Amino acid sequence: GNSVTQMEGPVTLSEEAFLTINCTYTATGYPSLFWYVQYPGEGLQLLLKATKADDKGSNKGFEATYRKETTSFHLEKGSVQVSDSAVYFCAPAGGFKTIFGAGTRLFVKA
Amino acid sequence: GAVVSQHPSRVICKSGTSVKIECRSLDFQATTMFWYRQFPKQSLMLMATSNEGSKATYEQGVEKDKFLINHASLTLSTLTVTSAHPEDSSFYICSANDQGLAVQETQYFGPGTRLLVL
Repeated sequence: GNSVTQMEGPVTLSEEAFLTINCTYTATGYPSLFWYVQYPGEGLQLLLKATKADDKGSNKGFEATYRKETTSFHLEKGSVQVSDSAVYFCAPAGGFKTIFGAGTRLFVKA
Repeated sequence: GAVVSQHPSRVICKSGTSVKIECRSLDFQATTMFWYRQFPKQSLMLMATSNEGSKATYEQGVEKDKFLINHASLTLSTLTVTSAHPEDSSFYICSANDQGLAVQETQYFGPGTRLLVL
């Protein structure tokens, strides 16, 4: 079956540091790939997505590229802010079913 | 656009009572709605998938008689936790697909409902 593995947290960074959260998946076929973000006490929000190989999703300074050859969709941001502190979920989706990674908690210190 | 609401946001009930949680898509029609459960500091566990006008599909291990799902319209799905017990205390999150979107797997999430059973 499909599965997803993402970097364990928590990740603690200082403001303006570079962020990478790794995500790899196994899937039959070519799923769409998503990153969702969950702020404290809230539901999930779509952060970015990519629907085919080599597509780059981007939003709010975050980026991730659909790498078919390595089955990865790593999340990056060049300069994090305190307001980016949240839990990030990598989520491949196919056939209307989404699988969520375990989530990576990010703390950004001022 | 693509806003999903949940009501109530927080509920405390006594053991043995039933609790209904509503999930609404406010500005789009949702072909499919999903119900998840999230334990503290853990990922989302899919409980069931509901399609408008048909019976919900439950994931393995989820009791359909305990977690009743009704999807009566393209904008409303309800989850009823029947005879709730303390172990049912959790954060319940719904999501919906916008049937008008090209990437139909995109899900829009409600803000969640925190249930505490005493």
